[in-house]
Amino acid sequence: NAGVTQTPKFQVLKTGQSMTLQCAQDMNHEYMSWYRQDPGMGLRLIHYSVGAGITDQGEVPNGYNVSRSTTEDFPLRLLSAAPSQTSVYFCASGRQGGYGYTFGSGTRLTVV
Amino acid sequence: GENVEQHPSTLSVQEGDSAVIKCTYSDSASNYFPWYKQELGKGPQLIIDIRSNVGEKKDQRIAVTLNKTAKHFSLHITETQPEDSAVYFCAASRGNNDMRFGAGTRLTVKP
Repeated sequence: NAGVTQTPKFQVLKTGQSMTLQCAQDMNHEYMSWYRQDPGMGLRLIHYSVGAGITDQGEVPNGYNVSRSTTEDFPLRLLSAAPSQTSVYFCASGRQGGYGYTFGSGTRLTVV
Repeated sequence: GENVEQHPSTLSVQEGDSAVIKCTYSDSASNYFPWYKQELGKGPQLIIDIRSNVGEKKDQRIAVTLNKTAKHFSLHITETQPEDSAVYFCAASRGNNDMRFGAGTRLTVKP
C-alpha cells in the first residue's frame, strides 16, 4: 500500500515549457485534489475531482489542466510554464463523506 | 467558495505549556473540519478532525472544539513537546468536497 505517489519530486522548467505532474493513489479513494503551497499562503486548491470523469476548478485554476480517466490517476498539466507557477505542488486523495485527505510528498517546481 | 482564516501565524511556547490555534470559516454549509501537521519537507498529515454534529473531540494530548454558531473551531495541544514543532493547518469543507485550508501556524516548542 503506497498511498499517494507523486512524480517527479523536483523539476526545473524554462518559461513557456509544458509538463505534467503525475499523481497516483492505490486506496480506491473517490476524491483527488491538487494544491499549491507558497510561503505564507498555506495550501491553495487548484483543481479537484470527485470521481473518474469528473473534475472541477478550485481557487487558482488558471494555467493548469487536469483529467481523471481512472480512479487511481489524477495528472496536473502546466500548459505554458510561468515564473509565478514556481511552487511546491501537493496531490491528495480521500474517501467520500469527509474522512480527511492523504497527501503525497510533493513536487518542488521551479520555473526560470 | 469557502474562506478559512487561521491565527496566529506563528506561536512559540515552552515545553509542557499548552498551545491553541484558532480558525474561522465563512460557508455555513461546511460540515467537516480537519487539522493537519506538516513537518519540514513533507506533505501535511491528518492529526484530528471534527464534524459539524460534534462540539468537541479529543485524542490524547490534542483536542478540537467547534462553535457552529460563530463559525469557528480551535486546536488545543496540551503538555507540548519539542516534536510538536511543525506547521499546523486547519481546513473546512462539505464532506471531502472542495476542501479549503487556512494559511498555517508555525508552532515552535522550546525545550
